[in-house]
Amino acid sequence: AQRVTQPEKLLSVFKGAPVELKCNYSYSGSPELFWYVQYSRQRLQLLLRHISRESIKGFTADLNKGETSFHLKKPFAQEEDSAMYYCALHSYYQLIWGAGTKLIIKP
Amino acid sequence: DAGITQSPRHKVTETGTPVTLRCHQTENHRYMYWYRQDPGHGLRLIHYSYGVKDTDKGEVSDGYSVSRSKTEDFLLTLESATSSQTSVYFCAISRDPKGTEAFFGQGTRLTVV
Repeated sequence: AQRVTQPEKLLSVFKGAPVELKCNYSYSGSPELFWYVQYSRQRLQLLLRHISRESIKGFTADLNKGETSFHLKKPFAQEEDSAMYYCALHSYYQLIWGAGTKLIIKP
Repeated sequence: DAGITQSPRHKVTETGTPVTLRCHQTENHRYMYWYRQDPGHGLRLIHYSYGVKDTDKGEVSDGYSVSRSKTEDFLLTLESATSSQTSVYFCAISRDPKGTEAFFGQGTRLTVV
């Protein structure tokens, strides 16, 4: 069955520290994965997708098919990164979502 | 922001009453989705549409129905609301289902008392 797992409900790090938000997936086939972010009082929005291999707001995510992971990383956290982060897997007509990780950046 | 609006933004209703939530888009995107967001569950797909009058069930479709009579509107109906349907509901649109960015509405907070 297709599944996305985000093992951490909450992640709290200090400003300037590295951040890694974990995402593991289960999918038979070639996965298409995304990270979405929801800042306080804002809409859910796309942060990045694995196929574009881009860095957005200093975040990167590499697809590791061997470990079936798509972890989101940032070398130096900023206070404005505090938000809810969701990993999502495209499957047929829909996206399958992880439960989300709340990231809190402490000053 | 993509042109997608949800109405109402907040609603309190009584158990057993019907409720309809509306999603309206001005982007002419083919695909539209209704999700519910609950703590510990992330987003779960209720129903989706891949064209006018073309809809299908998602993961948590029981107790919900949808209609899409025109491209811009996707309605979600709770035929007889229950307390378990208290949630935040999000509508999303997408140009195509294959890895294209999905744009989300602001959400509707529904409370069933």
